[in-house]
Amino acid sequence: DIQMTQSPSSLSASVGDRVTLTCRASQSISTFLNWYQQKPGKAPRLLMYITSTLESGVPSRFSGSGSGTEFSLTISSLQPEDFATYFCQQSYSIPFTFGGGTKVEIK
Amino acid sequence: QLQLQESGPGLVKPSETLSLTCTVSGGSFSNDYYYWAWIRQPPGKGLEWIGNIFHSGSTYYNPTLKSRVTMSVDTSKSQFSLRLTSVTAADTAVYYCAKRQSRFCSGPSCSGDYNWFDSWGQGTLVTVSS
Repeated sequence: DIQMTQSPSSLSASVGDRVTLTCRASQSISTFLNWYQQKPGKAPRLLMYITSTLESGVPSRFSGSGSGTEFSLTISSLQPEDFATYFCQQSYSIPFTFGGGTKVEIK
Repeated sequence: QLQLQESGPGLVKPSETLSLTCTVSGGSFSNDYYYWAWIRQPPGKGLEWIGNIFHSGSTYYNPTLKSRVTMSVDTSKSQFSLRLTSVTAADTAVYYCAKRQSRFCSGPSCSGDYNWFDSWGQGTLVTVSS
């Protein structure tokens, strides 16, 4: 199975900050990487697919980059509604696997 | 707008079978680019893909659960189901049904069949306890 590792596991930031979350794959997954946002008590919400394609309705302050084993999700200017947990997920091979998540908290 | 809704018992006894159903509405259940998935999340933990099923009934299961998992589909009702046998406390989790979108991409930054989970049910907590 491909292991997905996210860092940091949590971070504190202020509204307006630029934030970058990292996701690493245990082997190369090309650009087969998706990002999700999850708020407490809610289902995950798709943010980004194929590494850098923004899902419809997701604000343009979110961007994704990377390929191979290193990926990042950047929020250019953190908004109050962005405080949540973010998961990456590889779709390169079955079983599909998720990272452990990065929790973005209010500073 | 596609909607998914899980249903089933919230409490299952150890060694018994967990059974959940997902009802899909607001879209095409038999679209050839959709796969129907189950994903679970133990309390306070990360997400685990359980498996998915195509409208034809073909399935892919996570090898770690394969011996205990069965998925089925009822296209006439736009429903798909999960059965997980011999449950233990480790199977306590929020169970989500989701739509897996499949798309072929060819370009400077992509090459191949890509998949992502773009519609999710609200989730249902299943507790395994006597």
